[in-house]
Amino acid sequence: NAGVTQTPKFQVLKTGQSMTLQCAQDMNHNSMYWYRQDPGMGLRLIYYSASEGTTDKGEVPNGYNVSRLNKREFSLRLESAAPSQTSVYFCATTLQGTSTEAFFGQGTRLTVV
Amino acid sequence: QKEVEQDPGPLSVPEGAIVSLNCTYSNSAFQYFMWYRQYSRKGPELLMYTYSSGNKEDGRFTAQVDKSSKYISLFIRDSQPSDSATYLCAMSEGGRRALTFGSGTRLQVQP
Repeated sequence: NAGVTQTPKFQVLKTGQSMTLQCAQDMNHNSMYWYRQDPGMGLRLIYYSASEGTTDKGEVPNGYNVSRLNKREFSLRLESAAPSQTSVYFCATTLQGTSTEAFFGQGTRLTVV
Repeated sequence: QKEVEQDPGPLSVPEGAIVSLNCTYSNSAFQYFMWYRQYSRKGPELLMYTYSSGNKEDGRFTAQVDKSSKYISLFIRDSQPSDSATYLCAMSEGGRRALTFGSGTRLQVQP
């Protein structure tokens, strides 16, 4: 039982390149989230999907797009990477909304040079 | 002003000490309160979960919520080196809205 799986684990991009971060869960959860974690800033919400077919902006959505491909998968795309997007990205899931426990993936460490 | 404030530490204590970690918040609509523990280079894991005000105890851990003061605490008794991690408080209004996290407090328990 893998839980929440993120790929890749590490990535180095050049400014202006694009990439997609993948997240897949096998917990049959309805809600999925993308956070970024920066030193001293805690976890900040980028986008979330309360249920399949819906997505909403979080606190820091600029420069990102998301796709809720199906119930299991929620991807995060950087269309034109910038050094300010250097961060650790976490995908998380909850059974439904935020009144239940959130389960996190292991994170993707992204460096934009 | 951030919606959730948390002292980043680092906090260094000797093994066996009682540790107190705290967060304050400004949104009176928060009603779900959680503490997550994050080891280095890992994702956060839920440690304690409290709905509304009151205390909750689980082994060496006690979570307290004081909604009137907008203040939550996590106490760790008989701290162990394995407790060394970053502790993140998190809160939500419930429903569709996502969790709001504190910045995390780094704890180091010295053997």
